[in-house]
Amino acid sequence: DAEITQSPRHKITETGRQVTLACHQTWNHNNMFWYRQDLGHGLRLIHYSYGVQDTNKGEVSDGYSVSRSNTEDLPLTLESAASSQTSVYFCASTLKAGTEQFFGPGTRLTVL
Amino acid sequence: QKEVEQNSGPLSVPEGAIASLNCTYSDRVSQSFFWYRQYSGKSPELIMSIYSNGDKEDGRFTAQLNKASQYVSLLIRDSQPSDSATYLCAVNAGGAGSYQLTFGKGTKLSVIP
Repeated sequence: DAEITQSPRHKITETGRQVTLACHQTWNHNNMFWYRQDLGHGLRLIHYSYGVQDTNKGEVSDGYSVSRSNTEDLPLTLESAASSQTSVYFCASTLKAGTEQFFGPGTRLTVL
Repeated sequence: QKEVEQNSGPLSVPEGAIASLNCTYSDRVSQSFFWYRQYSGKSPELIMSIYSNGDKEDGRFTAQLNKASQYVSLLIRDSQPSDSATYLCAVNAGGAGSYQLTFGKGTKLSVIP
């Protein structure tokens, strides 16, 4: 069955370190998204990609970057982790415009 | 700013009752509407999608859409304790060609045995 996986599922890091969260999907979807979810804010879009070599900034992109070298993967990098980036991160993908997004299991990141 | 508003709850209903969850959205060109269920510590899971005005039924779930009023709702009949979760409303703000979804903050539902 097609799926989205994320790794690691839990991560603790220190302020100032670079962190990369992995997202891998086997749906063969061109369109992939990264969200963060915080109490009181709901799901907020960080970055998204509509295909290989395409990346776009979302609502809360400061301090984050993504790259897309193949269809299956969209890694999210925190260049210099800050305590404000402690959150749960979800990766999602969709086949086409106007249709549902499928979510990965999430990564809980703690920045100390 | 495209917005999706939901009552944060918690909404408490007794087992067997109908739970009614509501959502309003600000972008009039929105074409697609989704309800996701999210259990504590888990990822959002799609339970209903609706694209046209009116009702759409799937088992115990009914989604209702009124584009003129910019309102979408989810009814859960015969509520079960296993329905206790946070329900997220999502809208593809930006029209038919938009890939992005805007999410509400969610309504927490508690079904009391």
